[in-house]
Amino acid sequence: EEQLVQSGGGLVQPGESLRLSCEASGFTFSVYWMAWVRQAPGKGLEWLADIRQDGSDSNYADSVKGRFTISRDNNKRLLYLQMNYLRAEDTAVYHCARDEWHTYGYDLWGLGTLVTVSS
Amino acid sequence: QSALTQPASVSGSPGQSITISCTGTSNDIGDYHSVSWYQQHPGKVPKLLIYEVTKRPSGISARFSGSKSANTASLTISGLQAEDEGDYYCSSFTSRYTLQFGGGTKVTVL
Repeated sequence: EEQLVQSGGGLVQPGESLRLSCEASGFTFSVYWMAWVRQAPGKGLEWLADIRQDGSDSNYADSVKGRFTISRDNNKRLLYLQMNYLRAEDTAVYHCARDEWHTYGYDLWGLGTLVTVSS
Repeated sequence: QSALTQPASVSGSPGQSITISCTGTSNDIGDYHSVSWYQQHPGKVPKLLIYEVTKRPSGISARFSGSKSANTASLTISGLQAEDEGDYYCSSFTSRYTLQFGGGTKVTVL
């Protein structure tokens, strides 16, 4: 079964850092672009970043550029999101997602991990 | 980056057809073919319904169809069913090499 299993969320204070992980199984992780998408409580979807199959290219939303870094380890089948200088407005459920043959259609999603930024 | 514009809500009776619009600009929907649509039920992850404007992933009902004209994309749900209730989101690739989502549309089956 194709799966994305996430870990790493939690409660942090403003200005702190957190790293999210997303482990892929059941498919060839290394051939897919991958992305992170978040959803604040009661709000809509917000795209954050994506990364090329080999990790050589990545793109970011303005809201997280310079603070968040997407990366991957194809040998471990892991996708990461390093989040620095966290703000209250970063509070959301964070999902990793697989890009269907780089069509920007996300056909497989992790269940999500809650990140709460509060003092 | 402004979200793509979707109606807040759309409703219809069982068996009817409804259409959800998603309006962007020439920097996203108007210039690119990478428009997708998602369905999200409460507490669940989004489910891909349409990608590349008109294509359906394997397993998605033919009752869901997509189209695009100029800067506006549309999702049509035919033969509306109770299980179609939920939130629907469009997305589009943009000229800035980012992805933009719409604000979401709540579909109610009367």
